[in-house]
Amino acid sequence: GESVGLHLPTLSVQEGDNSIINCAYSNSASDYFIWYKQESGKGPQFIIDIRSNMDKRQGQRVTVLLNKTVKHLSLQIAATQPGDSAVYFCAEKLGTASKLTFGTGTRLQVTL
Amino acid sequence: EPEVTQTPSHQVTQMGQEVILRCVPISNHLYFYWYRQILGQKVEFLVSFYNNEISEKSEIFDDQFSVERPDGSNFTLKIRSTKLEDSAMYFCASRELQETQYFGPGTRLLVL
Repeated sequence: GESVGLHLPTLSVQEGDNSIINCAYSNSASDYFIWYKQESGKGPQFIIDIRSNMDKRQGQRVTVLLNKTVKHLSLQIAATQPGDSAVYFCAEKLGTASKLTFGTGTRLQVTL
Repeated sequence: EPEVTQTPSHQVTQMGQEVILRCVPISNHLYFYWYRQILGQKVEFLVSFYNNEISEKSEIFDDQFSVERPDGSNFTLKIRSTKLEDSAMYFCASRELQETQYFGPGTRLLVL
């Protein structure tokens, strides 16, 4: 079946470095993608989203890149801080259906 | 900043008992969702609700589950006869016309 998945279960980066979290999706019909951050014991927190008619979108310290050719999504975090430590999920939405299909998550660990 | 709120934060129940999980979506939002996350796994869609009716549901959302919007602010998920495998974090989410879904902090349900 169609699914969203993550390449790396755990990513460890030093404070101040840039982080790149990757996500592969298999459904070429998906038209909307979103990244969430989830801290321990909390709900998913919206970070940034992108529609399929775009290939890049920037927020505050975060950038999402979408490569539809290889069905790949990435989240870049600039100058990673200890407060960025969390599990990051990508999710996709397909067409008019409004449910989100989540990937399995990547844990980002920021070391001092 | 408006937030989705959920009560209770934790619920322990005996197998076979009914539970009601409560959510207060963001006030001007029109679409409401329930998702669940079994410990260590990804977030899974359960049901979406719009215009006072279910718009989509997953195969997880069987006859033991129901949702209701009893008044203008609350959105509830009822599990009629809980099973051990219903133990999970349950997240409520809401959105306005824009696609971004905002999640609540979750209710941790433990079925004994």
